[in-house]
Amino acid sequence: EVQLVESGGGLVKPGGSLRLSCAASGFTFRIYNMKWVRQAPGKGLEWVSFINDNGNYITYTDSVRGRFTISRDNTKNSLYLQMNSLRADDTALYYCARDLSTVIRASDLWGQGTLVTVSS
Amino acid sequence: EIVLTQSPATLSLSPGERVTLSCRASRSIGTYLTWFQQRPGQAPRLLIYDAFNRATGIPARFSGSGSGTDFTLTISSLEPEDFAVYYCQQRSEWPLTFGGGTKVDIK
Repeated sequence: EVQLVESGGGLVKPGGSLRLSCAASGFTFRIYNMKWVRQAPGKGLEWVSFINDNGNYITYTDSVRGRFTISRDNTKNSLYLQMNSLRADDTALYYCARDLSTVIRASDLWGQGTLVTVSS
Repeated sequence: EIVLTQSPATLSLSPGERVTLSCRASRSIGTYLTWFQQRPGQAPRLLIYDAFNRATGIPARFSGSGSGTDFTLTISSLEPEDFAVYYCQQRSEWPLTFGGGTKVDIK
């Protein structure tokens, strides 16, 4: 089955760290660009970070740049998001998503999300 | 960054009705506009990419149009499973941005 499964979310205090993982299966992970998108409770969607297929192009939204690090391990079919210096406004459901192709940055496959709650 | 404004925020409609959702960009994005559907408790689902291309498995009642700054998602005849929130997203430049969403609920 073609799927993405996120893990690693949880409750963390402000200033703390978490590492999210996204396990891909059923497709050739190494040829796809990937991204993280988040959704605060009851709110809309917000793009967080992007990594291309071989990991040599990475970009972030301004609010997480310098605090979050996206990475991937194509040998393990996995995507990661290291989140440091977490703040209350980082509280959200974090989705990993696959792009349709290397030139079309529209996400056609999404996981079910992992919830990150930042609170004291 | 490019701001996407979706209107209206909420639509109350009945099954079988035709619906037109709007997404306006703060500057031209060509046809680099994507539409997603999100049902309660579910992940977003890709409907339309690059303004008018239906994604695999999306029914023909969904269509997209527009270019530049004004875009439209049309559902020709609402089915019960279409009551959801719809988001547009631009991929013209970084950062990728989403509109605030339009909720289509049952009248």
